[in-house]
Amino acid sequence: GQNIDQPTEMTATEGAIVQINCTYQTSGFNGLFWYQQHAGEAPTFLSYNVLDGLEEKGRFSSFLSRSKGYSYLLLKELQMKDSASYLCAVREDTGGFKTIFGAGTRLFVKA
Amino acid sequence: SAVISQKPSRDICQRGTSLTIQCQVDSQVTMMFWYRQQPGQSLTLIATANQGSEATYESGFVIDKFPISRPNLTFSTLTVSNMSPEDSSIYLCSVVGQGDGHEQYFGPGTRLTVT
Repeated sequence: GQNIDQPTEMTATEGAIVQINCTYQTSGFNGLFWYQQHAGEAPTFLSYNVLDGLEEKGRFSSFLSRSKGYSYLLLKELQMKDSASYLCAVREDTGGFKTIFGAGTRLFVKA
Repeated sequence: SAVISQKPSRDICQRGTSLTIQCQVDSQVTMMFWYRQQPGQSLTLIATANQGSEATYESGFVIDKFPISRPNLTFSTLTVSNMSPEDSSIYLCSVVGQGDGHEQYFGPGTRLTVT
């Protein structure tokens, strides 16, 4: 079956580092995505991992271990505007670019 | 990147009626999807909109309830038929970028409330 797990909520302090974990079990694998979604807005693309390892993009980094079915999103130098939901999503290897989303992690950044 | 617009942005509809949501992309895209996001929940894939053929529906979604059109590579519509309050949700159009296919973009969404 398909299952993507991530924590429901996290709280962190401005300027700190936070790691949001995601584990998955899906029908095939063709890439893992992280999206940011502010309340009332559409999701915006943050990162994509298809090979094991760390992808760094500014304050945001994403890690993937395919053998463990595990990923994390690392946010550094947290800012208040980073308060949002972070969605982990897996693209299945069905040839049709079908992407399954986790329930999302609501991150609260406090001063 | 792809810029996606949706119409209407929001609507309040009566039970038993139907609403058609339009999705327009500023460039030709092969892969186009329709998602639903119920309050406080993540995104659920409704169907893949195929150009020139019938849409591919996910488990739990059927063509009679959610008919989809895709007349060309830049436009699609999703109709929510015979609505009930349980259909109250945000409906989002999404496309895969024409580059390496790594990026998936979302429209601003249509917020539907059924009374």
